[in-house]
Formats: sequence, structure tokens, C-alpha cells
Amino acid sequence: SQTIHQWPATLVQPVGSPLSLECTVEGTSNPNLYWYRQAAGRGLQLLFYSVGIGQISSEVPQNLSASRPQDRQFILSSKKLLLSDSGFYLCAWGVLVGGNNEQFFGPGTRLTVL
Amino acid sequence: KNQVEQSPQSLIILEGKNCTLQCNYTVSPFSNLRWYKQDTGRGPVSLTIMTFSENTKSNGRYTATLDADTKQSSLHITASQLSDSASYICVVSAWGGANNLFFGTGTRLTVIP
Repeated sequence: SQTIHQWPATLVQPVGSPLSLECTVEGTSNPNLYWYRQAAGRGLQLLFYSVGIGQISSEVPQNLSASRPQDRQFILSSKKLLLSDSGFYLCAWGVLVGGNNEQFFGPGTRLTVL
Repeated sequence: KNQVEQSPQSLIILEGKNCTLQCNYTVSPFSNLRWYKQDTGRGPVSLTIMTFSENTKSNGRYTATLDADTKQSSLHITASQLSDSASYICVVSAWGGANNLFFGTGTRLTVIP
């Protein structure tokens, strides 16, 4: 069966510090990978998605970046965090089955920028 | 414009009571609709998925309906339990591509004893 891991589970960082969140998937090959952010009381906002190693699509302009160094590893980074980067970050993996986009979410990382 | 709207924004019910959550969408071309349950501080977990040809799908005490003509879906929770307290998110998928999911903002359900 497939599993998706995210770490750390929670993170408190000062403004201006760097960020690295990691997501790994087990039990599947060539998944589509996604990073979402969920602000308090808001819906999920797609930040990045990747359909393969080294292939990153950005959905919103921001000071975050994503990388996919391996097939089942997706990393979310920032060189200098802003207060507005606080939120709940979710990684998801997905596959296209007959045109249907199935996505499965990780446990999330709660980021607080102070 | 592809959109998913959910109502109510929040809901408080007594344990044991039933409730119905609503989802209206304008996503096209429609592929499928999912309801997710998201416990506080956790990732969303899929409850049901319905394609165009399905108008009802059950998962235990959760029953989802879909009216593709009016582009409406509902999630009915029967005999609510305290553990049902969570956010319920409606997600509509358009055909094709890796980036074609549209998310509602969710309904926050609180079940009180």
C-alpha cells in the first residue's frame, strides 16, 4: 500500500530564516506530487506540483520554491521566511486513472513564522 | 470560472443528530466529486468519490449525493458522533491533466454532547 510522509510535523521559525519541508511517498512509482498551503479558516491553495523528477510547476508567485530531486521526494523551501508564510502545509501524491485525478494527502506540517 | 462553494461555513449539532452539508460547483468538464474529512491539524482523508453517472455513494454513516444537472452535491451524516467533529471539504475534479482539482473552503462541523 502507498504511504506519504511529511516532516517535521510542526515548525516555529523566525522571520527571515530559511525553510525546508520534506515529503516522501512509498509504495508507488512516478506519482504526481503536490504542495498545498492551508491558512487558518481558508481552503487549500495549490503552491506547486510536479509530474516528474526535476519538473516543477508553480501556481502562485511567492518566496517559496519546490524541488523534486528523486521520484518520490518533494521538497518545499524558502531562503527567507515571511510572516505570511505561516500556515498548514500539505503534501499530496496523485495519479491519473482514466482521466480522473486521484490525490492522497500527507499528515501536514504546521509552520509558524514569528 | 471553475469554483466550488460550500455551505454552511460552520455547523454545531448535538451528538446523535443528523446533518447535511452542501456543495455547489461550476467546474467543467466535470470528472468527479469527492468529499474529504479533515481533522484539526491532520491531512484530509477521502470519504466518498462520485463520477458523473453516480448520484449517491455511502461510506458508513456518511452518504453523499450528486446532481450533475444542477451541479450540486450534499454530504449527509447520520447519527452524528463526537468524532465527526472536523472540517468537510468538497473537491471537484475536471477532466485531464495533473492540476485540475478545485477545492471548496470546507464546512467546520462541531458535534457536542
